[in-house]
Amino acid sequence: GESVGLHLPTLSVQEGDNSIINCAYSNSASDYFIWYKQESGKGPQFIIDIRSNMDKRQGQRVTVLLNKTVKHLSLQIAATQPGDSAVYFCAENVRQAGTALIFGKGTTLSVSS
Amino acid sequence: DGGITQSPKYLFRKEGQNVTLSCEQNLNHDAMYWYRQDPGQGLRLIYYSQIVNDFQKGDIAEGYSVSREKKESFPLTVTSAQKNPTAFYLCASSIDPPKGTKNIQYFGAGTRLSVL
Repeated sequence: GESVGLHLPTLSVQEGDNSIINCAYSNSASDYFIWYKQESGKGPQFIIDIRSNMDKRQGQRVTVLLNKTVKHLSLQIAATQPGDSAVYFCAENVRQAGTALIFGKGTTLSVSS
Repeated sequence: DGGITQSPKYLFRKEGQNVTLSCEQNLNHDAMYWYRQDPGQGLRLIYYSQIVNDFQKGDIAEGYSVSREKKESFPLTVTSAQKNPTAFYLCASSIDPPKGTKNIQYFGAGTRLSVL
């Protein structure tokens, strides 16, 4: 079946570095994407979203890039901090599925001081 | 506080027992969802409901049941038919937008279910 996946299960960076977390999707009908952050033992927390009619969206210290040509999504975190350590998930909304989201497996980001 | 409340935080199930996980939201959201998360894995959809008294199966509905008698509440029952219930269960809610528009889901803190 079609699903959202991530290129790397883990990513380790130094405090202050920029982090890039990648996600590949396979369903060209997907029109909306979300990035979530999940800290250990907690529920996922919304970070940023992007619609398919955009290729870039910026938030506070985060930027999401969407490349529909290669079906690729990335989350960039500027000046990564220890508090950014968590599992990051991308999720897609498939138009035909209504409101359901499809989640990837997640990338664990570890930030060392 | 506005948000989504899941209870209990930890739950233990005996063989052959049904257990019910609670999910309540005061966000006035129309849609509610249940996901299962296994260690190192993403979220898999169990059931979702877009309106009171209506719900749809997700990808892994077997061995689970739900009800949606009130807008605020969407309890999940893990039945004895679910042979591998140990997992982290997450409830979410969202405004129910028209298809193809934004659907930000907000999550509760989760319930960790283990088998005795």
